[in-house]
Amino acid sequence: DAGVIQSPRHEVTEMGQEVTLRCKPISGHNSLFWYRQTMMRGLELLIYFNNNVPIDDSGMPEDRFSAKMPNASFSTLKIQPSEPRDSAVYFCASTKSSGSYEQYFGPGTRLTVT
Amino acid sequence: AQSVTQLGSHVSVSEGALVLLRCNYSSSVPPYLFWYVQYPNQGLQLLLKYTSAATLVKGINGFEAEFKKSETSFHLTKPSAHMSDAAEYFCAVTPGGNRDDKIIFGKGTRLHILP
Repeated sequence: DAGVIQSPRHEVTEMGQEVTLRCKPISGHNSLFWYRQTMMRGLELLIYFNNNVPIDDSGMPEDRFSAKMPNASFSTLKIQPSEPRDSAVYFCASTKSSGSYEQYFGPGTRLTVT
Repeated sequence: AQSVTQLGSHVSVSEGALVLLRCNYSSSVPPYLFWYVQYPNQGLQLLLKYTSAATLVKGINGFEAEFKKSETSFHLTKPSAHMSDAAEYFCAVTPGGNRDDKIIFGKGTRLHILP
């Protein structure tokens, strides 16, 4: 089975540009999570969806960040406009809402904003 | 609120020595507990999990962890470290029962293996 798929794996962009990160969860999983990892702040939960509905977006840093899940097999995290402090590795993870809580992580997208 | 504390952001052990990574949790309900490992330039992957069955949980790559309710601990151990164990390890907690699917991660412990 394919795991969680994220694209792109690396993104370098200039400050002020729009950035879109993409995630395809594991088939059959109905919860999806977006995390951000930096050296300074560690692993932070940004937002999570259950059955394509955002359940908790309290970790989204500010209005420049937005996330969507239009269907069960696709989600996007958008940053507009991007800033150098957004540079981080962004992970997507998914789980099946069966009470196991076991999350499966994608390989991450390394974002560099210059 | 549930939380985990990992003692030591960096731990160094010699190859062949015992690995002990410490995790203490706080939870108002019986918890599920997890250890995840992150190798360089990869996502996190599950090492093992405790879900209120046996208190000694065995995971992949020779790791195990023991749930101790009296100490609110879930320390990760491996009898003999291997160079390939060098990675970052995260402890995580979530309440059992009919709750949302979030799990709360600790800040991580980076394990260094000395030759």
